[in-house]
Amino acid sequence: DAEITQSPRHKITETGRQVTLACHQTWNHNNMFWYRQDLGHGLRLIHYSYGVQDTNKGEVSDGYSVSRSNTEDLPLTLESAASSQTSVYFCASSPGGGDTQYFGPGTRLTVL
Amino acid sequence: DQQVKQNSPSLSVQEGRISILNCDYTNSMFDYFLWYKKYPAEGPTFLISISSIKDKNEDGRFTVFLNKSAKHLSLHIVPSQPGDSAVYFCAASASETSGSRLTFGEGTQLTVNP
Repeated sequence: DAEITQSPRHKITETGRQVTLACHQTWNHNNMFWYRQDLGHGLRLIHYSYGVQDTNKGEVSDGYSVSRSNTEDLPLTLESAASSQTSVYFCASSPGGGDTQYFGPGTRLTVL
Repeated sequence: DQQVKQNSPSLSVQEGRISILNCDYTNSMFDYFLWYKKYPAEGPTFLISISSIKDKNEDGRFTVFLNKSAKHLSLHIVPSQPGDSAVYFCAASASETSGSRLTFGEGTQLTVNP
């Protein structure tokens, strides 16, 4: 069955370290998204991509970067982790032109 | 500025009764609205959607109502079941200006008591 996976599911890191969260989908969707979920804020868009080599900033992109070298993967990198980036991170994908997004199971990141 | 707002952080109802979750938006360019359900330690899952050309969409126990003039939508669950206990997120998109991007509300924790 087609799916979207995230790894790791849990990560503890230290302030200042570089961290990369993986997202892999097997639906062959063109669109991929990264969100963070924080209490009182819902889901906020970090970065998104509409296809290979395409990346765009969302509303909370500072301190994060993404790259899209193939259709299946959109890794999210925290260049220098900060305590304010402690959160639950969700990856999502959607077919080109469709608005319904399908979410991965999430990664809980703690920055100490 | 919060373009999609869910003003009730939590809602508690009895099994078998109706659950009504509300959502307000400010961006008049939004033309597609979705509801997602989220269980703890899982990703959000799509529940139901509605286009701005409609005012109601029904899928089994779930009905979404859209009032464009009031910029308000609501999700009705009838009858409510304990398995419906989850966080519900309202989301909106503006196809002309934001493509496939979704803007989410803060979420409402629904608890259905047996």
